[in-house]
Amino acid sequence: SDELTQPPSVSVSPGQTARISCSGDALSKQYGYWYQQKPGQAPVLVIYKDNKRPSGIPERMSGSSSGTTVTLSISGVQAEDEADYYCQSTDDSGSFPAFFGGGTRLTVL
Amino acid sequence: EVQLVESGGGVVRPGGSLRLSCVGSQFRFEDYGMNWVRQGPGKGLEWVAGINWNGERTDYRDSVKGRFTISRDNAENSVHMEMNSLRAEDTALYYCVAIPRPSVTVLGVACKHWGQGTLVTVAS
Repeated sequence: SDELTQPPSVSVSPGQTARISCSGDALSKQYGYWYQQKPGQAPVLVIYKDNKRPSGIPERMSGSSSGTTVTLSISGVQAEDEADYYCQSTDDSGSFPAFFGGGTRLTVL
Repeated sequence: EVQLVESGGGVVRPGGSLRLSCVGSQFRFEDYGMNWVRQGPGKGLEWVAGINWNGERTDYRDSVKGRFTISRDNAENSVHMEMNSLRAEDTALYYCVAIPRPSVTVLGVACKHWGQGTLVTVAS
């Protein structure tokens, strides 16, 4: 299957840890990537190659991978983390970002 | 700071055509594959088309194959997408996205740089 499946929403209280999962067959062969998108803004890369953090992304954002699932974890959640989060993977050629998950709305209570 | 500026969006009737353009600056354009990713109103992200650094490889999502054509001009630091036979479901904000070549990055196939998007509306 070409699909990546994410929960539509996750809610956490400030200071707690949020975990957002993303599942799909492509993830067993290709890396997963994560993006944060706030209203009216373009997405921002927050995790690449399953668990690596680009420069400028806070350490409380981390990624992990197991089988056909990748997970984005945000520890010590802050109000500013409220956003939509999308996972992404690639086609079999590994050349194009062919697949995006449906997105997860993170709400900070 | 890397800049990607899209243009060419607008309102078009079903069956009509549009040509989107994206100009990049403040980075070595030929070090990047270029892609178009769209986002329908209130919807998620959807990869549409991509072209590698020298234009020799292109690919498209199934729903646009045969209707959209992506091209690039490295001398002009630009990428274009010709969109024909447009449908209502093509209505979206279209982002220009730059992905660094494997030889110049450790990021993999990460959508590193995004433009602000150009809006395409297909309606009668």
